[in-house]
Amino acid sequence: QPQLQESGPGLVKPSETLSLTCSVSGGSISNSAYYWGWIRQPPGKGLEWIGSSDYTGSTYYNPSLKSRVTISVDTSKNQFSLKLRSMTAADTAVYYCARPRLGFLDWLNWGQGTLVTVSS
Amino acid sequence: DIQMTQSPSSVSAYVGDRVIITCRASQGISRWLAWYQQKPGKAPKLLIYTASSLQSDVPSRFSGSGSGTDFTLTISSLQPEDFATYYCQQTSNFPLTFGGGTKVELK
Repeated sequence: QPQLQESGPGLVKPSETLSLTCSVSGGSISNSAYYWGWIRQPPGKGLEWIGSSDYTGSTYYNPSLKSRVTISVDTSKNQFSLKLRSMTAADTAVYYCARPRLGFLDWLNWGQGTLVTVSS
Repeated sequence: DIQMTQSPSSVSAYVGDRVIITCRASQGISRWLAWYQQKPGKAPKLLIYTASSLQSDVPSRFSGSGSGTDFTLTISSLQPEDFATYYCQQTSNFPLTFGGGTKVELK
């Protein structure tokens, strides 16, 4: 099973851009059958899918975030990344990267999650 | 977008109880539904996919059923390690959506 690990800042100022990276080990990110994903969870609340990308750059985003989100894949580093612009306090959450089951859209492998707080 | 509605939002139960959680989709999703278990401070864990298929290493006391718009997750005999929050997710198409969660608590 692959291991996924999120990295990035734990604190972001309002209006700034969040950049997170998910490093994948124990498996290649260059498999066309996977749509790698980002999911977030505000403190004490439920799960929200942010978006997904395959290794070619084919992406799908949550309509509620689409205008602010970019997900990209770097096959040379076996990583994929999330950028979320114009951050507000409402974006404070634990951010998870995840890999679905091969060819499907349910999430089998998860990173440990990283808490991102938006505050000045 | 497909809306997913879970009920109840919380349930109190004893060890050994049978617990049933329901999930309703706002439109038909065939059997494209997954269930997850999440414990505090941990990432969710996939329990069931395609409505009723048990993920490897998940105890057989967990089962799922349903198709179309109505689905259930059943824990046949609640164990101490099962106290957690459970989420459903439609896997039919993008945008992917989750239910609001059901917290299973000790009575």
